Amino acid sequence: GDSVTQMEGPVTLSEEAFLTINCTYTATGYPSLFWYVQYPGEGLQLLLKATKADDKGSNKGFEATYRKETTSFHLEKGSVQVSDSAVYFCALTSYYGNNRLAFGKGNQVVVIP
Amino acid sequence: DTGVSQNPRHKITKRGQNVTFRCDPISEHNRLYWYRQTLGQGPEFLTYFQNEAQLEKSRLLSDRFSAERPKGSFSTLEIQRTEQGDSAMYLCASSRGEASGYNEQFFGPGTRLTVL
Repeated sequence: GDSVTQMEGPVTLSEEAFLTINCTYTATGYPSLFWYVQYPGEGLQLLLKATKADDKGSNKGFEATYRKETTSFHLEKGSVQVSDSAVYFCALTSYYGNNRLAFGKGNQVVVIP
Repeated sequence: DTGVSQNPRHKITKRGQNVTFRCDPISEHNRLYWYRQTLGQGPEFLTYFQNEAQLEKSRLLSDRFSAERPKGSFSTLEIQRTEQGDSAMYLCASSRGEASGYNEQFFGPGTRLTVL
């Protein structure tokens, strides 16, 4: 079945550092790919998405490019802020069917001032 | 506030008791999803409604779990004879149901269940 794999472990970095969170996927057909963010005490929010190969999703300074050849959708931000501290989930959904989401395990990101 | 709401936000129960959670989706959304999230894991799909029809159930949804969406509005998720392994955050999401492409799912804050 469809699945998403995120890099292991929390990520701790200093303010203004470069952030990368790796995400790879396994899916049949042509899935849509997403990054969701969960801020402390809040619900999941869609951060960005890409619906076909080579699409780049972007929002709030975050970017991710849909790479079909490497089945990857890595999240990047050039200069993080303390307010970016949250848990980040990579997810996918198939084009056909009910659009249910398959999530990775998530990565806790802690940005230190 | 016109987002997805869930009640209660927290529920503590003893093993063997029944619990029921409620989800109120965004009013114009006809699709509704339930997910379960355990500590350190991403959300896992449980079940899906299109209007009042339950169209898909995950194999994670044992016989002790039942979900309803009467009249295609709010939804309830009931767990009978709770077990400690049911302790998790239960998330509800809703979306429009347009025919093609992805319809963004909007998530509620979740109900955290603790089974003692």
